[in-house]
Amino acid sequence: QAVVTQEPSLTVSPGGTVTLTCGSSTGPVTSDHYPHWLQQRPGQAPRTLIYETFNKHSWTPARFSGSLIGDKAALTLSGAQAEDEAEYYCLLSYSGPRLVFGEGTKLTVL
Amino acid sequence: QVQLEQSGAEVKKPGSSVKVSCKASGGTFSTYVFNWVRQAPGQGLEWMGGIIPMFGTATYSQKFQGSVTISADESTTTVNLELSGLRFDDTALYYCATWGEGYDFDHWGQGTLVTVSS
Repeated sequence: QAVVTQEPSLTVSPGGTVTLTCGSSTGPVTSDHYPHWLQQRPGQAPRTLIYETFNKHSWTPARFSGSLIGDKAALTLSGAQAEDEAEYYCLLSYSGPRLVFGEGTKLTVL
Repeated sequence: QVQLEQSGAEVKKPGSSVKVSCKASGGTFSTYVFNWVRQAPGQGLEWMGGIIPMFGTATYSQKFQGSVTISADESTTTVNLELSGLRFDDTALYYCATWGEGYDFDHWGQGTLVTVSS
């Protein structure tokens, strides 16, 4: 089974910019992996911020954006706010289809 | 608007089985992909498997193949997750969720806590 890698933790200053990345043990992440990014705050169910690489839902703040950077999927937060402190999970799709979550990135706004 | 209502918390003995249900309302039940996602205490998210009710055949993560059965009942618009041979490390919050139908389609149940305890 593929392994999806994320930074375990990152810290960003209020108003700052940070990029979270998502790699795959099978090779480069492409749009064919339909990368999703989910946010989970403590005690809450996850919710998807970005789907299929770069698409946003109506509840996705404009300061979040998704892309492919090099061989990875990326979630960029520009203008971090205290409410963005949360766990962020990458989700990739493989043939089957089988889905695999990354282990999550704990984002601290400090 | 799709809503997912999951069954209540369960406490089970090691080696036993448990069935968690997810009742869907709204939308077109038969065509959506319903996923089960597990989250052990203090841990990350794990995709267990998924099913499209109109096709009836589930796809499973390799990790859960053989110990998990996912099924769907179109007559009651319910998706089920059955875990067998429960172990202590199966203690987790189990979410039913559906996504993948584009803009604003991302729906999660409230989660069902399964506790495995002797």
